[in-house]
Amino acid sequence: DVKVTQSSRYLVKRTGEKVFLECVQDMDHENMFWYRQDPGLGLRLIYFSYDVKMKEKGDIPEGYSVSREKKERFSLILESASTNQTSMYLCASSTTGDRRYEQYFGPGTRLTVT
Amino acid sequence: SQKIEQNSEALNIQEGKTATLTCNYTNYSPAYLQWYRQDPGRGPVFLLLIRENEKEKRKERLKVTFDTTLKQSLFHITASQPADSATYLCALDEGYQKVTFGTGTKLQVIP
Repeated sequence: DVKVTQSSRYLVKRTGEKVFLECVQDMDHENMFWYRQDPGLGLRLIYFSYDVKMKEKGDIPEGYSVSREKKERFSLILESASTNQTSMYLCASSTTGDRRYEQYFGPGTRLTVT
Repeated sequence: SQKIEQNSEALNIQEGKTATLTCNYTNYSPAYLQWYRQDPGRGPVFLLLIRENEKEKRKERLKVTFDTTLKQSLFHITASQPADSATYLCALDEGYQKVTFGTGTKLQVIP
């Protein structure tokens, strides 16, 4: 079974802090994704990566950056946290080829910025 | 990007009945359409993928149809059980590994 883990289930940070969210997958998947999920807005893509050191902006990249130094690990960075970044953050991974649209998600990190 | 509409925010059905959830999209027809299940406070779980050249796909009590003319997918759960209560998300491919998700339908199966 694919396993995607995220570093924290719950996180509370103060406005202006730099925040790191870590995601690790154990299935050698090429693609990794970061989403945020808010009530009524659904899942929105922040960034994704299709290879080590490669990244692509998603629909809402402002205020975020990412890092992928190893294939299994994809980090989301909030450079200066703001209250409007309070959300559930979900990491996902997928393979390539015919199954590239089957995404496997981690348990999520609920981030509160005060 | 695609605009996806899932028929209702919430759907209540009696245990044992068939639940039918609807996913409509407005732009181009995707090559792949997926359904996911999400429990409260958890990440979505992949259930089924159907391709544009497939009319129907089944997996145990689940059935998905894909009508590119109507720009619609239907997701059926037969012999529904209280354990099927969850939010179900429809998702479409946007090409290049990207996927757009609907906001989901919350299904409640009443014993």
